[in-house]
Amino acid sequence: DTGVSQNPRHKITKRGQNVTFRCDPISEHNRLYWYRQTLGQGPEFLTYFQNEAQLEKSRLLSDRFSAERPKGSFSTLEIQRTEQGDSAMYLCASRNQGYNEQFFGPGTRLTVL
Amino acid sequence: QKEVEQDPGPLSVPEGAIVSLNCTYSNSAFQYFMWYRQYSRKGPELLMYTYSSGNKEDGRFTAQVDKSSKYISLFIRDSQPSDSATYLCAMSPQGGSEKLVFGKGTKLTVNP
Repeated sequence: DTGVSQNPRHKITKRGQNVTFRCDPISEHNRLYWYRQTLGQGPEFLTYFQNEAQLEKSRLLSDRFSAERPKGSFSTLEIQRTEQGDSAMYLCASRNQGYNEQFFGPGTRLTVL
Repeated sequence: QKEVEQDPGPLSVPEGAIVSLNCTYSNSAFQYFMWYRQYSRKGPELLMYTYSSGNKEDGRFTAQVDKSSKYISLFIRDSQPSDSATYLCAMSPQGGSEKLVFGKGTKLTVNP
């Protein structure tokens, strides 16, 4: 499978715990995006990387959220001190330089109890 | 006013019907327009991509962009039960921000 992959697919955690998600983009894609999607809504942009550089962050990305993309390959999204409002589907997408289409992974569904 | 407006439906049609889905937007800087299909609890799957105005056809799907009216459409011909999903429009400007701005999605059910 050469698509975008995300792990874990599901995560249940208790309020106050830290969680980390991983995204592996399509191998030749140098741009990587994180989005969050709540029930009944479209995905909302969180942040974007070009290679290893984080170039854009949304106001939705509070201080409890941090994303990294070391070596410009896979990316991680960490949420510290989770809150019930963080419950959502976290989606990763990637695209190739010179093209505008973003391709999404299957998402990580987070439930905060 | 949200940048992208999309009627969430739900929309229910019989098998074989022509389906029309649409979005309106307010940001005249949007140049790239996409339609994604999302099955329940799955990631969005890219269906159609259009740059600027005009029509694009791919099999049973046709995407239309009318920039003068800030209105985009997706038509599905000969709809099938397997087309039952949520359809999301998304758009982005040329240059500047890389983010896609999505509509809320329209939930479509095609009844056999």
